[in-house]
Amino acid sequence: DTEVTQTPKHLVMGMTNKKSLKCEQHMGHRAMYWYKQKAKKPPELMFVYSYEKLSINESVPSRFSPECPNSSLLNLHLHALQPEDSALYLCASSQDKNRDRGNIQYFGAGTRLSVL
Amino acid sequence: EDQVTQSPEALRLQEGESSSLNCSYTVSGLRGLFWYRQDPGKGPEFLFTLYSAGEEKEKERLKATLTKKESFLHITAPKPEDSATYLCAVQVRERNAGNMLTFGGGTRLMVKP
Repeated sequence: DTEVTQTPKHLVMGMTNKKSLKCEQHMGHRAMYWYKQKAKKPPELMFVYSYEKLSINESVPSRFSPECPNSSLLNLHLHALQPEDSALYLCASSQDKNRDRGNIQYFGAGTRLSVL
Repeated sequence: EDQVTQSPEALRLQEGESSSLNCSYTVSGLRGLFWYRQDPGKGPEFLFTLYSAGEEKEKERLKATLTKKESFLHITAPKPEDSATYLCAVQVRERNAGNMLTFGGGTRLMVKP
């Protein structure tokens, strides 16, 4: 089973709202990722968690706040977003132990976010 | 700087018309090259990973190959259900890169019946 589950599938929020995106995996992966994807563009990396610790933040604005409560869960807290933040938000997970060969990232179906 | 370039950006094929998608890369040290398929509004679906030049992987109508500078995704006798965006991505050996993926721009494939 290579399933990564994201909720909700769709989210509409105003610029003053606070909302959260959730991601869950049960593959025993110790690395988890948030990506943002605009239409007809490849995914852009936002954050990487390795063993529940934030290891990479790709200069993401503070209105996006990630959280990794345990090895299976990843959240993305959203506050005071702008309309240009509307996008497909993808979660992925992978092993984090193979240093010589690449670790496959498995993606969830994504959350389609619209900011009004 | 690591770079991944995919061509063509878009490809239209007739059903049964075989073709190839290209992914050229310039990286400091390749740990792995990955192919994903993405349907509109969905997350990327893992297809193949290739680790060293000369390696080949096959799955149904798809075959991925790797050289030291590029990878090809060959599609044999495609069907309309093969229509999707195909993404190529690399992982590199840099110390702080972790498992980061550097993506190409993707190839949008449309197969007409």
